Amino acid sequence: DGGITQSPKYLFRKEGQNVTLSCEQNLNHDAMYWYRQDPGQGLRLIYYSQIVNDFQKGDIAEGYSVSREKKESFPLTVTSAQKNPTAFYLCASSIANRRGETQYFGPGTRLLVL
Amino acid sequence: AQSVTQPDIHITVSEGASLELRCNYSYGATPYLFWYVQSPGQGLQLLLKYFSGDTLVQGIKGFEAEFKRSQSSFNLRKPSVHWSDAAEYFCAVSPNTGGFKTIFGAGTRLFVKA
Repeated sequence: DGGITQSPKYLFRKEGQNVTLSCEQNLNHDAMYWYRQDPGQGLRLIYYSQIVNDFQKGDIAEGYSVSREKKESFPLTVTSAQKNPTAFYLCASSIANRRGETQYFGPGTRLLVL
Repeated sequence: AQSVTQPDIHITVSEGASLELRCNYSYGATPYLFWYVQSPGQGLQLLLKYFSGDTLVQGIKGFEAEFKRSQSSFNLRKPSVHWSDAAEYFCAVSPNTGGFKTIFGAGTRLFVKA
């Protein structure tokens, strides 16, 4: 079955530590996205990628970094510069980065700070 | 400023009762409109979307939504709620001007009582 997988389901970060969240899709989609979800705030866009080896900052990119070396993979690194990283992180993909394109979401990773 | 508003943070309905979740947007032109559903600890799933044409849109799981241009609204409805509908619902818009972006509302959590 085609879909999006995210790992791990839960991730714990120590102060000053960088952590990487995995996102893989086998839908053959060109576009991929990372969102952060906090209670009562909906989803906020962190980064998105329209094609391999290209990515753009979203609304809240500070303290995060991404790479897109393969079409199916779009890992997100939460760096030590992100002072409030505790949140639910959602990865999504769409056929292309076009207006109105349906996004398909992974099951999410919950990041907690120790 | 462009925005998506879901006025109700949470709603409680009895099983078998009808449901309406409200969504208002503020954009100059008719955007692309979506409703997504999120079960606890999971990713988002598309319920339905509207681009143009018939203003009453049918979706999965028995949901429908009506676009009303005069009210800048895209409310989600279901005639008879089932306990399994308990989840969080997000309205989203993708403007049809300018660059790509999908804006999500803050969400409405639906509780279903027996």
